[in-house]
Amino acid sequence: GAGVSQSPSNKVTEKGKDVELRCDPISGHTALYWYRQSLGQGLEFLIYFQGNSAPDKSGLPSDRFSAERTGGSVSTLTIQRTQQEDSAVYLCASSLVGGLRYNEQFFGPGTRLTVL
Amino acid sequence: GQQLNQSPQSMFIQEGEDVSMNCTSSSIFNTWLWYKQDPGEGPVLLIALYKAGELTSNGRLTAQFGITRKDSFLNISASIPSDVGIYFCAGQLRNQFYFGTGTSLTVIP
Repeated sequence: GAGVSQSPSNKVTEKGKDVELRCDPISGHTALYWYRQSLGQGLEFLIYFQGNSAPDKSGLPSDRFSAERTGGSVSTLTIQRTQQEDSAVYLCASSLVGGLRYNEQFFGPGTRLTVL
Repeated sequence: GQQLNQSPQSMFIQEGEDVSMNCTSSSIFNTWLWYKQDPGEGPVLLIALYKAGELTSNGRLTAQFGITRKDSFLNISASIPSDVGIYFCAGQLRNQFYFGTGTSLTVIP
């Protein structure tokens, strides 16, 4: 499809294990965002990639969280030594940055992470 | 981070009624956005507002960018069952987006 895709859709892991979440943005979109959504809460910004610029990591909650974006396209969010409080839906969004009116984000369906 | 206060937290209305929800912020934003999220899916953009005072409609939806740039409202007229979902406001500041906690809307047929 032409939308943002994320995998896996669901991930159950044990406390202390590492997990990798993948995001495939819309082709041609240069900006990519990761958010975390806890149950009944709004979206919490995690990290932002724009082209070849250094990512804005100011939203990452701890050094256990990291993200990469390879070739300006696919992105991977890695959570090391997962904790139960990491359980949430992780959403990825991409946008075409070319002027203010093109900064609209398109979201993927999310990855639901459950840490036991 | 920036705090967006969204209200009401939830609404239960009869089909055909109008709905109003709003967001306020302690900070000034360049852009206000309204999203709808269905279960198991990511948010979908409903309306984007780019200028203070701007009033924009999209079908039965109307949203306004407050003149202080610290608030926005969304109105839904003549609600229908498919309006059910969670509505989020978001404010953009530079390259970051800050989201409200959502308004859960239930429409009773």
